[in-house]
Amino acid sequence: DVKVTQSSRYLVKRTGEKVFLECVQDMDHENMFWYRQDPGLGLRLIYFSYDVKMKEKGDIPEGYSVSREKKERFSLILESASTNQTSMYLCASSLWDEQYFGPGTRLTVT
Amino acid sequence: SQQGEEDPQALSIQEGENATMNCSYKTSINNLQWYRQNSGRGLVHLILIRSNEREKHSGRLRVTLDTSKKSSSLLITASRAADTASYFCATDPPSGGTSYGKLTFGQGTILTVHP
Repeated sequence: DVKVTQSSRYLVKRTGEKVFLECVQDMDHENMFWYRQDPGLGLRLIYFSYDVKMKEKGDIPEGYSVSREKKERFSLILESASTNQTSMYLCASSLWDEQYFGPGTRLTVT
Repeated sequence: SQQGEEDPQALSIQEGENATMNCSYKTSINNLQWYRQNSGRGLVHLILIRSNEREKHSGRLRVTLDTSKKSSSLLITASRAADTASYFCATDPPSGGTSYGKLTFGQGTILTVHP
């Protein structure tokens, strides 16, 4: 079974802090994705990566950056956390069509 | 941008009843997928239907796709309390380039099944 893990289930950070969210998958998938999920807005794509060191912006990349130094790991970075980045963050990976999701990180920025 | 829109936003039924959720989308697709999310957790893939298919079954799930109406429906038969979750449809982007498996998700239908 594909396993996608995320570094934290819950995270509380202060405004202005640099925040790292880590995602690791164990199935050698080429594609990895970061979403945020907010009530009434569904899942919105922040960034995705289709290979090591390759990344593309999704629908809402502002305020975020990503890093993919190894195939299995995709990191989301909040350069300077703000309260409007309080959200549920979901990581996913895929080989072809189906995406496999991690359990999510609920981030609160105070 | 939101490609898929689910209807209804929330659905409440009794155990044993059938649950039907609908998804509409705006542009052409290669496939449409349905995912399930238990409260506060990640999404789990349920079923995929390709644009050249009209109906697909998986256990108690039945999915239909009408590309002329740009709509899909998910039917869960003989529902159970454990089916309580949010259900999302997801579409791949319009063809013409490499999608890298990128999907666009709808806002979801919250299904509550009462014992």
